[in-house]
Amino acid sequence: EVQLVESGGGLVQPGGSLRLSCAASGFTFSDHYMDWVRQAPGKGLEWVGRIRKRANSYTTEYAASVKGRFTISRDDSQNSLYLQMYSLETEDTAVYYCARGSLSGRYYYFDYWGQGTLVTVSS
Amino acid sequence: DIQMTQSPSSLSASVGDRVTITCRASQSISNYLNWFQQKPGKAPKLLIYAASSLQSGVPSRFSGSGSGTDFTLTISSLQPEDFATYYCQQSYTTPYTFGQGTKLEIK
Repeated sequence: EVQLVESGGGLVQPGGSLRLSCAASGFTFSDHYMDWVRQAPGKGLEWVGRIRKRANSYTTEYAASVKGRFTISRDDSQNSLYLQMYSLETEDTAVYYCARGSLSGRYYYFDYWGQGTLVTVSS
Repeated sequence: DIQMTQSPSSLSASVGDRVTITCRASQSISNYLNWFQQKPGKAPKLLIYAASSLQSGVPSRFSGSGSGTDFTLTISSLQPEDFATYYCQQSYTTPYTFGQGTKLEIK
């Protein structure tokens, strides 16, 4: 059974940093791109960024709203995905989901999601 | 960025009804369109990918169609467990973007 379990959320002051983790199991983690998606309280979904797999040099992409402040990394030996967040702003308050990316031909989609971890940025 | 616009934003319907939700992209995205269902306090669940391909395990009452800029999600006969919020998402190019959501409520 595919499982994604996020951790590391909590309360942080504006300007602070936080590192989220996502532990994966039930599939070959190293074969998949992985994404982060967030959802502000009562709002819709916002894609945060993605990390590709080793065969694609672990390249990353980010939403403009987090580029330069957030860094996505992975450790395939630990089946883990990370989101390092710096210079946090109140607008970053959200539930953060990790999601498994899958490809069917040219079509990319998030087929499994974690339960999410809440990040609250407030003084 | 590609803007995704869903309509309606909310919808009241009854068990057994046929329901259609539409999603419009600000530019052509071919059929790089996914649909998700989200229930309160839960993670989104993939229903449809590539505009019309049903994800494994999803009931056949869900279907998707469209190409270019206009897409639809149809639920052929609403069941009690279908009352949720639905999101479309384009996977044509990054940054991936979602519609604002359609909340499907019980009439």
